[in-house]
Amino acid sequence: EDKVVQSPLSLVVHEGDTVTLNCSYEVTNFRSLLWYKQEKKAPTFLFMLTSSGIEKKSGRLSSILDKKELFSILNITATQTGDSAVYLCAVDNNAGNMLTFGGGTRLMVKP
Amino acid sequence: DAGVIQSPRHEVTEMGQEVTLRCKPISGHNSLFWYRQTMMRGLELLIYFNNNVPIDDSGMPEDRFSAKMPNASFSTLKIQPSEPRDSAVYFCASSFERGLEAFFGQGTRLTVV
Repeated sequence: EDKVVQSPLSLVVHEGDTVTLNCSYEVTNFRSLLWYKQEKKAPTFLFMLTSSGIEKKSGRLSSILDKKELFSILNITATQTGDSAVYLCAVDNNAGNMLTFGGGTRLMVKP
Repeated sequence: DAGVIQSPRHEVTEMGQEVTLRCKPISGHNSLFWYRQTMMRGLELLIYFNNNVPIDDSGMPEDRFSAKMPNASFSTLKIQPSEPRDSAVYFCASSFERGLEAFFGQGTRLTVV
């Protein structure tokens, strides 16, 4: 059975701090890994990673994938209160458009 | 495009009643997913459709749950009869066949009392 595990479960930091969120996975026929940010309602897409070692960046957020060790990290630098959310990691197992989600990391950024 | 549209946004119903959740995927997307999210279990895939055909419904909790996709622009998730443990946020998402960036609707918060 495919498995995606995120850590930590929750995290409280202060504005300006840098955080690293972790996602490890066990899937057959890995195709891609995706990061989502979920605030009040629907998850919104952040990154899709398919190749090891290539960092993807979007402003203060960046992510990288290690297909050998089967994990990904999401970094947020100079955190702001607006970064407070649940961050979800999902993996595509190449079985026809299905995603397996991790349990999420709840990030709270205090002023 | 307005994105994935779900209705209703909130539903409160009594145990035993039938509940129908609705979803309109993004035009042109041919994969549609129903997810359930709870604090205890996180985000769980219930069922997904490809080209209106149910491909995998192994995540559907039990026979009380059913989903249909009569055409490319509409899907329903029905719970009959509903139970308090069905209380959750139900998300619908859609994607292109070869792209895995699934776009989510705003969800329906279901409360069964």
